[in-house]
Amino acid sequence: GDSVTQMEGPVTLSEEAFLTINCTYTATGYPSLFWYVQYPGEGLQLLLKATKADDKGSNKGFEATYRKETTSFHLEKGSVQVSDSAVYFCALTLNTGNQFYFGTGTSLTVIP
Amino acid sequence: DGGITQSPKYLFRKEGQNVTLSCEQNLNHDAMYWYRQDPGQGLRLIYYSQIVNDFQKGDIAEGYSVSREKKESFPLTVTSAQKNPTAFYLCASSQLGPGGTEAFFGQGTRLTVV
Repeated sequence: GDSVTQMEGPVTLSEEAFLTINCTYTATGYPSLFWYVQYPGEGLQLLLKATKADDKGSNKGFEATYRKETTSFHLEKGSVQVSDSAVYFCALTLNTGNQFYFGTGTSLTVIP
Repeated sequence: DGGITQSPKYLFRKEGQNVTLSCEQNLNHDAMYWYRQDPGQGLRLIYYSQIVNDFQKGDIAEGYSVSREKKESFPLTVTSAQKNPTAFYLCASSQLGPGGTEAFFGQGTRLTVV
């Protein structure tokens, strides 16, 4: 079935460190891929997305590239800030329908 | 501004009671969803709806019920049959069709059984 597997946390980094959160997917069709961010006590906010292979989504210094050959959509940021501390979710939806499949989330803490 | 509104933000329920969580959207989205989130865990789908007066069970529908009488509204009732209802509940909506449209989320309702 369709699913998303993402790197388990928690992840703790020092400010200005490089961030990578791994995400791989299994899909029967051609999915669109997303990264969402959740701050404590809030709902999920879309961080970035990519709708086809080789697309790169980017926002607020975060980037992820849709790699069909490795079925991956890893999240990266070159220099994290304390304000990036949150839980990050990788997700997919198939373009033939509208069910969303979420990973289990990766908690990131950035320390000064 | 367009968005999704969940209410209340915090809800307390006595054991044996039914409670209803509200979800309203003004994005003109066809599809709406309810998810449950437990501490340190991901999102689990409870119910979803793609059209008025129709909805489908998700992975953990037991003990929950929904209705979709209007396009903009998708309330969730947590019944007394739900054995462990304390959780954070998230409502979302999206536009149907191809093109990779994302889901938009409300701010969530935290339900606690007392």
